[in-house]
Order: sequence, then C-alpha cells, then structure tokens
Amino acid sequence: EAQVTQNPRYLITVTGKKLTVTCSQNMNHEYMSWYRQDPGLGLRQIYYSMNVEVTDKGDVPEGYKVSRKEKRNFPLILESPSPNQTSLYFCASSRTSAQETQYFGPGTRLLVL
Amino acid sequence: LAKTTQPISMDSYEGQEVNITCSHNNIATNDYITWYQQFPSQGPRFIIQGYKTKVTNEVASLFIPADRKSSTLSLPRVSLSDTAVYYCLVGKGSQGNLIFGKGTKLSVKP
Repeated sequence: EAQVTQNPRYLITVTGKKLTVTCSQNMNHEYMSWYRQDPGLGLRQIYYSMNVEVTDKGDVPEGYKVSRKEKRNFPLILESPSPNQTSLYFCASSRTSAQETQYFGPGTRLLVL
Repeated sequence: LAKTTQPISMDSYEGQEVNITCSHNNIATNDYITWYQQFPSQGPRFIIQGYKTKVTNEVASLFIPADRKSSTLSLPRVSLSDTAVYYCLVGKGSQGNLIFGKGTKLSVKP
C-alpha cells in the first residue's frame, strides 16, 4: 500500500531534550515536506526537500532541522525543543514538487513541557 | 506565491450542493489552483487541481473563470462526512514552497 508513515504518533517531552520525528514514504517520490498545524493558524510549512541532499526552508523553519540522505526518508529534528513547538506535525510527499498531489502522513502530536 | 482568500466557515445541509469560492487576485501565468480537504487530526487529502475553465472528478468540480482571479470548488449533494476544512492553494508546478492558509471550515448538518 502506498503510504507515508510517521513515528512516533504521539510524543511528550521536556524542554531541551533533543528528539527526532521520522517520516518515510514508499512511493519513490522526489519531493517531501514537513508542516506544523496549530489552532487558528492552519498548516504552515517548516522545511521541504526537492530531492536527495536538497533541502530548503519553508515559512517557519526556526528551531528545526531536516536531512534527506535517502529518497524515502525525511526526518525532522528538534535539537532543543521548546514549549512553542508543541503542535501537530505532518509529513508529506509528492512525485516531484509541492504542486503535485501531496500524500500526507497520519500526523505526530508533540507536547513539549 | 499568490495569496488566497477564502471564507472562514460555511454551513450546509445534507443533500445540498456547496460552492466554496477562493480569491487569488495576483495569480501568476504559470500557477495552478489546487484544493485539499482535511478532517480533524488527519493530514490533508488532495481533492482537485485545475488551471483554467472547468475540471471535474468523482469527488468535486472546480470552476475557474477566464481571468483566473478566483476559483470555485463545487461539492455536489454533500453528506455529513463532507464536514471538513477545505484549503485553496495557488502556486507554480515546479516549486517546493507551499502556503495552505487557514482554509474554509464546512459544517454539514442533517
């Protein structure tokens, strides 16, 4: 089954403790992206990757890092999480770009205490 | 990236046709118009995409006037399960950056 998977689905952590949210797709997609969703603010793009080893900032990249060493994986790294990073995070992929049909993962709900 | 403006919310009843209009006055020549649907606590799901005139699929229709400064998503005979947030996006085919905005919250009542 074609899908985007994220792990973990739920995470409670404390301020400053580094964490990684994994994202993997099995559709051989070139493009991958991370979004965060907060009440009243809609979906905002954090980082995206047009291809392996190519990443770029979205609208809200501060406090996040990403890497794209393999086509299928696009982990989101929070080096020193803060409470304002408490949010619902979605990973997505598409064949070549943001404008093509994006397939979203199930989401990761993060709480930073 | 072209900015889009949509109503914050809309109400409808089961069986009615729902039309959600999106304004994108500064749309560029190469920009496409894409709509996504999102249920609570789920990732958005692609509904339809178009460039001009009318596009129809098994879920919805997309109407785009000649000047392309607006577009209308049409959902025929909605049901309770169509209650969701609908996002209108505008952008070029080759780009990586995408702006979803706040979307339109559609509530379908029995």
